[in-house]
Amino acid sequence: SQQGEEDPQALSIQEGENATMNCSYKTSINNLQWYRQNSGRGLVHLILIRSNEREKHSGRLRVTLDTSKKSSSLLITASRAADTASYFCATAPWGNNRLAFGKGNQVVVIP
Amino acid sequence: DAGITQSPRYKITETGRQVTLMCHQTWSHSYMFWYRQDLGHGLRLIYYSAAADITDKGEVPDGYVVSRSKTENFPLTLESATRSQTSVYFCASSEWTGGFFYNEQFFGPGTRLTVL
Repeated sequence: SQQGEEDPQALSIQEGENATMNCSYKTSINNLQWYRQNSGRGLVHLILIRSNEREKHSGRLRVTLDTSKKSSSLLITASRAADTASYFCATAPWGNNRLAFGKGNQVVVIP
Repeated sequence: DAGITQSPRYKITETGRQVTLMCHQTWSHSYMFWYRQDLGHGLRLIYYSAAADITDKGEVPDGYVVSRSKTENFPLTLESATRSQTSVYFCASSEWTGGFFYNEQFFGPGTRLTVL
C-alpha cells in the first residue's frame, strides 16, 4: 500500500522561524492531507490538497503538491511554541478513502 | 456532545480476554475508520466502513472484528487480546459529499489499550 514518508523526521527551530516538512509517496493519489498531533492527544486535521491542486493556504500553513514528483511540502510560517507537535502526511488513493500515513515529523519550536 | 467520541479512554486487560472499543460520531458521516498507532509504525488502518452494514479490512485486520449496524457507531472488538495489540487506537470519520474527491477525516481522542 502507498505511504507518505516525511522528511526530515525531527526539526528544532526558534520561535518566529519558518518550518518546512516534506512528504513523498509512491502511487497515484486522490488527495494528500496533513495532520498535527500534540503529545498524548488525537490527530487534528490541518489541510487537504486534492490531486488536481498545486498549492493551498490556511492561515500560517502553506501546502504544495507536485504529482509529477509524488511529493508534498508543508510550510509553517512564523512558528510559535504552540506549533510544537508531530506532523503527519497521509495519502488517499483513488478508489477508496483509506488513508496511508507517514511516520511523522517531530517539530520543536523553542521560545 | 457533538463530534466524535471514543470509550473507554484507557483500558487494561489480560491476554485472551475480549475487549470492545466504542466509537460514536454525531455528524452522520458515511465513512468511519479504526487506526492503531505504535511507535515506529505510525498510524495503520485496521478496518473501515463506507456506510452502515458495509465494512472492509485495512492494513492490519487480524485479531479484530468490527460491525456497523448504525451510521453513528463503529465498535472495534478484540476477540482474544494479545500483547501485540497493546497500542493507542483512534477512530475517525469522514463525510461523503459525492464527486471524485474524498474529504478530510476527523479523529477521536483515542483509546490507550494495554494488554498484560
